[in-house]
Amino acid sequence: GAVVSQHPSWVICKSGTSVKIECRSLDFQATTMFWYRQFPKQSLMLMATSNEGSKATYEQGVEKDKFLINHASLTLSTLTVTSAHPEDSSFYICSARLLDRNSQETQYFGPGTRLLVL
Amino acid sequence: AQKVTQAQTEISVVEKEDVTLDCVYETRDTTYYLFWYKQPPSGELVFLIRRNSFDEQNEISGRYSWNFQKSTSSFNFTITASQVVDSAVYFCALSEAGNRDDKIIFGKGTRLHILP
Repeated sequence: GAVVSQHPSWVICKSGTSVKIECRSLDFQATTMFWYRQFPKQSLMLMATSNEGSKATYEQGVEKDKFLINHASLTLSTLTVTSAHPEDSSFYICSARLLDRNSQETQYFGPGTRLLVL
Repeated sequence: AQKVTQAQTEISVVEKEDVTLDCVYETRDTTYYLFWYKQPPSGELVFLIRRNSFDEQNEISGRYSWNFQKSTSSFNFTITASQVVDSAVYFCALSEAGNRDDKIIFGKGTRLHILP
């Protein structure tokens, strides 16, 4: 099946620094990728939809200037958490959308990135 | 607006028992997709099933089975003869076909503990 990778798998940083998380579709091209955030023992909450070559669409309540998304190629989307604070500590998961041979769209999820801001 | 409700926050059963995880959804679209995902302690989401709204046939895959009832807007998931390795958080999710970006909205999840 299709594979999506994320890098890094975990990161610890000091408050005030910026952290970049990469999401790559390894064996397919994805015009659309999604970024989710999951706090401990909670559900996945969609943060934004990332479309290749255009601006990301953010969900209500998600600060676009804080969570910068760049989808510069068909296989890579990046999420940068700017000036991270302890409340940004979370599990960040990306997914990539693939149109299969039956013209059905399926999302494939990455393994997630655990961010801890001290 | 789309919504997924998983009323069971946490369930514990003894190994080899059967267990059913409930999922109720809300959508205005006539075409939509329902999903179940498993999230083990490692955190990685494991895709279990995708069902489109026009296919009400129940599905069985090994010890897993799914019951899709449009009349009650439910998509329940049953694990037969549960095993300790089934312990995980299970998410039910919904995607509306009319949504250009195919956003998937997740329920809050059910944490399943299978006791040896």
